[in-house]
Amino acid sequence: QVQLQESGPGLVKPSQTLSLTCAVSGGSISSGGYSWSWIRQPAGKGLEWIGRIYASGGSNYNPSLKSRVAISLDTSKNQFSVKLSSVTAADTAVYYCARTPYSGPSYGAFDSWGQGTLVTVSS
Amino acid sequence: DIQMTQSSSSLSASVGDRVIITCRASQSISSYLNWYQQKPGKAPNLLIYAASTLQSGVPSRFSGSGSGTDFTLTISSLQPEDFATYYCHQGYSPPWTFGQGTKVEIK
Repeated sequence: QVQLQESGPGLVKPSQTLSLTCAVSGGSISSGGYSWSWIRQPAGKGLEWIGRIYASGGSNYNPSLKSRVAISLDTSKNQFSVKLSSVTAADTAVYYCARTPYSGPSYGAFDSWGQGTLVTVSS
Repeated sequence: DIQMTQSSSSLSASVGDRVIITCRASQSISSYLNWYQQKPGKAPNLLIYAASTLQSGVPSRFSGSGSGTDFTLTISSLQPEDFATYYCHQGYSPPWTFGQGTKVEIK
């Protein structure tokens, strides 16, 4: 059973870059068949998809964040990462990493999630 | 972007009640509709994918239906552990989007 675990600083200053990593265990991130996403949730609010990356390195981003976000893959460490630049208080949220099959009946469904990590943007 | 709208942000129900949560997409998404349950402090958990397929390990009291733009999640007999927030999500076209959530509370 695949497991995902987010890690990274819990506090980021305004205008700086938020960087988080998702370590994947129980399966190879480069084996294909899945894309790997980041999703965030401000306190008391709903879920926002940030973007995804494929094993090939191809990626898609939410247009609302596209100018500030980059997702990368490190197959040697079986992990993927997100960087969000020029952060403001509005970027304060719990950040989740998640897995999605990109074929088959469950295409597009987030079938495995990390437990989430809270990132607060504050000086 | 495809907008997902859940008909209510919250509802109150009692144990044993039949609960129906509805979700509407701003354009047709075929059957690429997924439902998640989220409890406080936890990550969302996939309940149903492809509008009506129960994820492995999910109790059979959960069911989903619909296609195109209108979808429903039904809990046939609400159990104490089902009090949570439920989100619909379209996996049809990026940017993938979620409904605003429906919180099921104890009546």
